[in-house]
This record gives sequence, C-alpha cells and structure tokens, in this order.
Amino acid sequence: TQLLEQSPQFLSIQEGENLTVYCNSSSVFSSLQWYRQEPGEGPVLLVTVVTGGEVKKLKRLTFQFGDARKDSSLHITAAQPGDTGLYLCAGSTNAGGTSYGKLTFGQGTILTVHP
Amino acid sequence: DAGVIQSPRHEVTEMGQEVTLRCKPISGHNSLFWYRQTMMRGLELLIYFNNNVPIDDSGMPEDRFSAKMPNASFSTLKIQPSEPRDSAVYFCASSLAHGSTGELFFGEGSRLTVL
Repeated sequence: TQLLEQSPQFLSIQEGENLTVYCNSSSVFSSLQWYRQEPGEGPVLLVTVVTGGEVKKLKRLTFQFGDARKDSSLHITAAQPGDTGLYLCAGSTNAGGTSYGKLTFGQGTILTVHP
Repeated sequence: DAGVIQSPRHEVTEMGQEVTLRCKPISGHNSLFWYRQTMMRGLELLIYFNNNVPIDDSGMPEDRFSAKMPNASFSTLKIQPSEPRDSAVYFCASSLAHGSTGELFFGEGSRLTVL
C-alpha cells in the first residue's frame, strides 16, 4: 500500500505570508497531483506533475516533484484569504501496466489565511 | 457543461437502514470512482470502474457495501445495513482513463449520517 504523508496538517497564517506544504512517500509514483477542496465541495485539480524534478507554476502557486518521484511540495507566495481550503496531494501508479491508475490521497493540509 | 452529479446531497438515517447513493458521471468519461472522506482517515478509495466493469473493490470496507454501474451514465453505492461508523462524505468522481495522469472530476459529495 502506497502511503502519502502531508505536512503540516494545519496551517494558519496571515494574508501576505508565504507557505510550503509537503507531500512525502517511500513509494515511487508515476505522477502526482495536487487538489484543492473547499467546504461542501469535492476536490478540484490544481496541477499534475509527471517528471522527476519538474517544477510547475500556477500564478502564486509553485509545485515541485522530487527527483526520485517520491515527494512533492506546494509553495504559495503572498497568500490570500481566497487560498483558504484543504490541499490534497495524490499519487498515481500504473496498476499492473494497465492504462489507468489508482490515486492514493494524502491526509491533506487545512490552510487558513486570515485577512 | 454538467459535472459529476451526486444524490442525495445529505442523508440522515437510522442504524440498520439501507442507504443508496447515486452518481451520474461526466458524459464520455469511462472511469468512475467512489471515495469516502472522514476527518480521521481522509479520502479513501472504495471502488473504481472502467468501462462499467469493477476493476478494484479492495477498498470496500465489508460485505455491507456494494456498488454497481449498470451503464456508462449511472452508478450506485449501497450500504445495507448501515452503521454509525459509516457516517462520512461519499464522493463520486469520473475521469478519462488515458494513462495514469488523468484528472479526477469530483461531484459535490453525499453527506451520510447514520444515527
């Protein structure tokens, strides 16, 4: 069973601060996704990273996939109250060489950005 | 475009009653997933289907849980008999199964409370 550990579990910061959320595993993933979930809604995909060492930027969000494809980080610059939510990382492996993969989700990081 | 549609949004029932949750995936998506989310365990994959065929049901907790996908546009998750520990938010998600990097599109979830 592949496990994804996210840290920190909770993060409460002031508007304008920077933050980093980490996602670690002992397993290698073929790809890793980051989702954001707001209360009462389902998770929504932010980004997918597939290559070891890959860095992707989405406005103030920067995502990095570790060289060994076992870990990832999400960095938010100048956080805003609208960034508040649950951030989930999810790793995918090719299930026995088939064309679809199972996603294993981390426990999530609850981010609160205060005005 | 309509997203993944789940019903009911909220269900309150008594222990021992049968519960049926419903899902309509996005048209054209050929993979469907049922997840359960709780504070303690996060998002857990219960079962997923590809082209209406159950591929992996190893996450289904016990025989009280069953899922069907009679056609490409409808799936059900049934709990019979329900127990208080089944209380959770149940999400349905669909995706295009192109490799292992497919984005999951989640519904808004069905919040189940078993008294």
